[in-house]
Amino acid sequence: DAGVTQSPTHLIKTRGQQVTLRCSPKSGHDTVSWYQQALGQGPQFIFQYYEEEERQRGNFPDRFSGHQFPNYSSELNVNALLLGDSALYLCASSTLDYTDTQYFGPGTRLTVL
Amino acid sequence: GESVGLHLPTLSVQEGDNSIINCAYSNSASDYFIWYKQESGKGPQFIIDIRSNMDKRQGQRVTVLLNKTVKHLSLQIAATQPGDSAVYFCAENIYGNNRLAFGKGNQVVVIP
Repeated sequence: DAGVTQSPTHLIKTRGQQVTLRCSPKSGHDTVSWYQQALGQGPQFIFQYYEEEERQRGNFPDRFSGHQFPNYSSELNVNALLLGDSALYLCASSTLDYTDTQYFGPGTRLTVL
Repeated sequence: GESVGLHLPTLSVQEGDNSIINCAYSNSASDYFIWYKQESGKGPQFIIDIRSNMDKRQGQRVTVLLNKTVKHLSLQIAATQPGDSAVYFCAENIYGNNRLAFGKGNQVVVIP
């Protein structure tokens, strides 16, 4: 158990809807990264939050946004959902040290119909 | 849980044998590498890591080898057990970037 929690476990939405996913990092960690994992693929980096700000971003459109709260927990929001957004969304927590292990949560499986 | 290993290269190994999983990374500026294990329905689990100033690092039943000349990483699992059945990903981290770039993944199936 990595100590990273995510909610909900599964979610079904329709095209055009909006979704919010949540993540609580491991105790002692202040950095949260979000990844998208399509079926049969490796996780793809979406963005990273530190000190309540987006620190860096991968190649994802502005429909993907996030937030980090003072307690270090984080949300991932996706607007105007597309069928291609169906994936496992993973949250990883760490410190800002780039050699610190990133611990992953169990993920949220999003299905867009 | 759902499978994460669809259409992935698959290594079938007899229980008790050693497994070797290979990975080619893309960025010569990467200086920190990690192997993750992902079981069906779960998030990736850290196995072992290595920095670019090392060629080899050993853990419990696992060894990671790094060849920077050809940008190649391998994971060796000794005495493979049924619980080792999973998809294995290598990930690279570029200095100061703190974001992981994952490889395609390899599925390991342990035959009892």
